[in-house]
Amino acid sequence: RKEVEQDPGPFNVPEGATVAFNCTYSNSASQSFFWYRQDCRKEPKLLMSVYSSGNEDGRFTAQLNRASQYISLLIRDSKLSDSATYLCGASGGSYIPTFGRGTSLIVHP
Amino acid sequence: DVKVTQSSRYLVKRTGEKVFLECVQDMDHENMFWYRQDPGLGLRLIYFSYDVKMKEKGDIPEGYSVSREKKERFSLILESASTNQTSMYLCASSPPLMTGKGYTFGSGTRLTVV
Repeated sequence: RKEVEQDPGPFNVPEGATVAFNCTYSNSASQSFFWYRQDCRKEPKLLMSVYSSGNEDGRFTAQLNRASQYISLLIRDSKLSDSATYLCGASGGSYIPTFGRGTSLIVHP
Repeated sequence: DVKVTQSSRYLVKRTGEKVFLECVQDMDHENMFWYRQDPGLGLRLIYFSYDVKMKEKGDIPEGYSVSREKKERFSLILESASTNQTSMYLCASSPPLMTGKGYTFGSGTRLTVV
């Protein structure tokens, strides 16, 4: 399984801001892509799977760019409760994802 | 909701002890995984299992073994604990990976080896 890379941040944004994270993956054969959210000292929780056509869930939008081998997560109208670490995952031929080290988001008042 | 339960939230063990970490899932998932998570290193796969009595090495299996005698239970064993195995251990389960539905993680076991 090849590497998945993320900017560790932290991204420090005010409430209401729009923030975007990118995650690059090196295995062009990757089939499945994910974003997980992890709160401090808690387990990762699936935020969204990322589909080829892109997908949206409320304030969250995920995109896949196969040509440039990255996935992105856009958060609109940031809330204090969005503060967390966001992990991306990309799976290779075995379908087991490799995870990035996470991007830290801090939303301040 | 899928629930993945890890038996202990915090454990302190001595160097050289044999340590058992237990994980149980209640959604009849075929796949189960053990990861460790360390600051700056992210999630690293130790072992995984596609079915009962089946196991596969992940990226860092040295010093660990696993057991899957029942579909719902996947145990991680540290044969002789060492201080470099101090870490957060996370168990996860998933439906068939080709579905792209991702993992459900347990709440983790923070192991300290002294």
